[in-house]
Amino acid sequence: QSALTQPPSASGSPGQSVTISCTGTSSDVGGYNYVSWHQQHPGKAPKVMIYDVNKRPSGVPDRFSGSKSGNTASLTVSGLQADDEAVYYCSSHAGSNALFGGGTTLTVL
Amino acid sequence: EVQLVESGGDLVQPGGSLRLSCSASAFTFSDAWMHWVRQAPGKGLEWVGRIKRKRDGGTTDYAAPVRGRFTISRDDSENLLFLQMNSLKTEDTAVYYCTTDAYWGQGTLVTVSS
Repeated sequence: QSALTQPPSASGSPGQSVTISCTGTSSDVGGYNYVSWHQQHPGKAPKVMIYDVNKRPSGVPDRFSGSKSGNTASLTVSGLQADDEAVYYCSSHAGSNALFGGGTTLTVL
Repeated sequence: EVQLVESGGDLVQPGGSLRLSCSASAFTFSDAWMHWVRQAPGKGLEWVGRIKRKRDGGTTDYAAPVRGRFTISRDDSENLLFLQMNSLKTEDTAVYYCTTDAYWGQGTLVTVSS
């Protein structure tokens, strides 16, 4: 199975909203409500921002939200802040497998 | 506070073996599906494999590049997750993370080199 498809980059100004997409197939993103989004700052371990499509772990601000339509999942970051600048990866359950996207570098202008 | 702490990373020669451990705390470990994910230097995240909770069968699944060489196991009495890595290749060099649905560990570095 191929990796999930993410745009390589996204950007927005402080206070704005930005949406990152993650496209898969009916065998992964479209077939299960098990899509997660992970934030990774340089040199740090990833951090789960969204799991099960739209759930936030404790401590993640509600500026981060997730959704899914068909084979495409989306992460929306509202009220952009400087610390949101990071690489964001999506992942999905895929039957006896799991897949990651290639990552999207979010730049806060 | 949920914690996942990996250990066991090291420098190993090609063809060698290594066993990674992940110690979990502050959540019901026995209820969790646990995963190993790796990140090669300068690259993205790659799923390695997972083990289901016992009441879902406790079975394991692996990514194609590691199938037959890596084995995941768990000890629910000690809240421990393991990754046994055999026949290591240079392309297995990476930081290895244990994860649940909502949390990541800090990772442990495995370097395969002669």
